[in-house]
Amino acid sequence: KAGVTQTPRYLIKTRGQQVTLSCSPISGHRSVSWYQQTPGQGLQFLFEYFSETQRNKGNFPGRFSGRQFSNSRSEMNVSTLELGDSALYLCASSLELALPGTDTQYFGPGTRLTVL
Amino acid sequence: SQQGEEDPQALSIQEGENATMNCSYKTSINNLQWYRQNSGRGLVHLILIRSNEREKHSGRLRVTLDTSKKSSSLLITASRAADTASYFCATALRGGTSYGKLTFGQGTILTVHP
Repeated sequence: KAGVTQTPRYLIKTRGQQVTLSCSPISGHRSVSWYQQTPGQGLQFLFEYFSETQRNKGNFPGRFSGRQFSNSRSEMNVSTLELGDSALYLCASSLELALPGTDTQYFGPGTRLTVL
Repeated sequence: SQQGEEDPQALSIQEGENATMNCSYKTSINNLQWYRQNSGRGLVHLILIRSNEREKHSGRLRVTLDTSKKSSSLLITASRAADTASYFCATALRGGTSYGKLTFGQGTILTVHP
């Protein structure tokens, strides 16, 4: 099976712009989670989607949003970009057939966002 | 604050030596996962150990879990230069807020010298 794919791999934006990142999960996986990785804060959970519904959300401002489509592909959007949004954005997919939080999460290669 | 704390923050060893990394966490978990990351790339899943398991092996990797001490360790035996990477532990918590959320430690930077 193909792994988790993310597009684009690299992105450069300026402050105030908005950006949309895309994630395609492993075939058959229904849960997609998003994380932000920065040198200062490490890996932090943004949100999780399952069957087109956001089930969980981390402690990020409302400028960060996401959605999931019927084929489980997911997008995240960051509006009004700030310099501090520069980070590696990772998405992960899992089966989530049983109890939540019991399955392995498989990560994509990430999107490196630079905000100038 | 981070759920997982890793120790040491950095580890430098010679090829062929064993590397041990430790992870501590604060609350009850469903499972604990270890990941490897090379130079800011994506995370590669290594092992998942469930809360009712004490030890798991995968190739040169051995993971232990002590839920009474809320700690886990990752042992890499006979290390290779290709094992040079950052290693993270991540916990999936019990309870209704655990949907899709892993809480990561700060990671251990492992350098294996040829």
